[in-house]
Amino acid sequence: DAGVIQSPRHEVTEMGQEVTLRCKPISGHDYLFWYRQTMMRGLELLIYFNNNVPIDDSGMPEDRFSAKMPNASFSTLKIQPSEPRDSAVYFCASSVYRDSNQPQHFGDGTRLSIL
Amino acid sequence: TQLLEQSPQFLSIQEGENLTVYCNSSSVFSSLQWYRQEPGEGPVLLVTVVTGGEVKKLKRLTFQFGDARKDSSLHITAAQPGDTGLYLCAGVRIIQGAQKLVFGQGTRLTINP
Repeated sequence: DAGVIQSPRHEVTEMGQEVTLRCKPISGHDYLFWYRQTMMRGLELLIYFNNNVPIDDSGMPEDRFSAKMPNASFSTLKIQPSEPRDSAVYFCASSVYRDSNQPQHFGDGTRLSIL
Repeated sequence: TQLLEQSPQFLSIQEGENLTVYCNSSSVFSSLQWYRQEPGEGPVLLVTVVTGGEVKKLKRLTFQFGDARKDSSLHITAAQPGDTGLYLCAGVRIIQGAQKLVFGQGTRLTINP
């Protein structure tokens, strides 16, 4: 079975440029999460969706960050304009909620470097 | 604000030794999950502990949830090089039906042959 698919795997760009990260969740999963991982702050939740609707974006660092989920099989996380401090590994995860034992399934991440 | 404190952050030991990783919080969680992350990959769930005082075993790994559901530990017996990786604990809160995870900083474990 295909897991969560993220693209690109690596992105290197200059500050000020727009960056778009993409995620395809596992089919049938109704929750989608975006995380950011850095050495300093660990793994942090940025935003999550339920049935394509954003539920909690309190983790989004600032207005330069935006996320969309136009349909059940696709989500994007956009940074515009990008800054060097946005450099991190960004993960997408999906889950189907039945009880608290359910795992979140993570993609392999996008390693973003802003020069 | 780091709600979950994991310790140690780094641990390097010899094959065959035992080790314990701790995950502490001042907050109560619905449950607590342990993940393992390999380089270049996303975290993968190892176990979920739900009940205060619960103990779960996964081969040589023993996971315990504190009685007050605020802390947890991971004990590895006779560690092997294949146990090398980043171990993450995550407190689970159920908010509006969603499983919201709060991660610890992680413990980077290296088992030397």
